[in-house]
Amino acid sequence: AQSVTQPDIHITVSEGASLELRCNYSYGATPYLFWYVQSPGQGLQLLLKYFSGDTLVQGIKGFEAEFKRSQSSFNLRKPSVHWSDAAEYFCAVASGGYQKVTFGTGTKLQVIP
Amino acid sequence: SAVISQKPSRDICQRGTSLTIQCQVDSQVTMMFWYRQQPGQSLTLIATANQGSEATYESGFVIDKFPISRPNLTFSTLTVSNMSPEDSSIYLCSVLPDEQFFGPGTRLTVL
Repeated sequence: AQSVTQPDIHITVSEGASLELRCNYSYGATPYLFWYVQSPGQGLQLLLKYFSGDTLVQGIKGFEAEFKRSQSSFNLRKPSVHWSDAAEYFCAVASGGYQKVTFGTGTKLQVIP
Repeated sequence: SAVISQKPSRDICQRGTSLTIQCQVDSQVTMMFWYRQQPGQSLTLIATANQGSEATYESGFVIDKFPISRPNLTFSTLTVSNMSPEDSSIYLCSVLPDEQFFGPGTRLTVL
C-alpha cells in the first residue's frame, strides 16, 4: 500500500529565509507525487506535481521540488519565503492512473517577520 | 482546469440527523472523489464516484453511513447519515480531468 510521511508537523522560518519541507513516500512502482497548499479557511491548491522526466520540478509561487528515487523523497523548497506562504503543506502520492491519492499528515508553516 | 463548487459551505447539525453535501463541476468529468479532513488531520479518501456505477468506498467507510449519488458527469452528492460529533470535519469534493482539483470544502459541525 502506498503511504506518505511528512516528518515535520510544524516549521517556523523567518521571512526571506530559505525553506525545505520534507516528504518521504512508499510505493512499489514509479509514483505520481504532488505538493498541495492549504491556507487557513481555504481549499487545497496544487503547487506542483511529478509524473516522470526531469526530477527537479518547478511549481507556482516560486516553489520547486526534487524527486530522489534512491531516498524515496520529494522535498519541497523555496529560496526566499514570504509572509503569505504561511499555510499548511501536504505531500501526496498517487497510484498509477492517478486514481487514488494518499496524503501525508501535513506540515504547518509559520513565517515570522 | 476545473472549477468546483460545494453546498453548503458550512453547517451545524444535531446528533442523529443527516446532511447532504452537493458538489458541482463546471465541466464533465469521469472521476469524482469525496474526502474527509478531520480537525487537525490530513485528508482521507471516503469514496470514488464514477457516473453510471456504484461508488467505491475505502476501508472504514460504508454506504449506509455515507451514501453517494452521481447522476451525471458534473454533479455528485455525499450524505452524512445519522451524524455524531465524530463526523465533525471538512468534507471535500475532488475531480479528475487531467489532475485532481479540489472544491472549497464543507465544514460540518455536529453537536
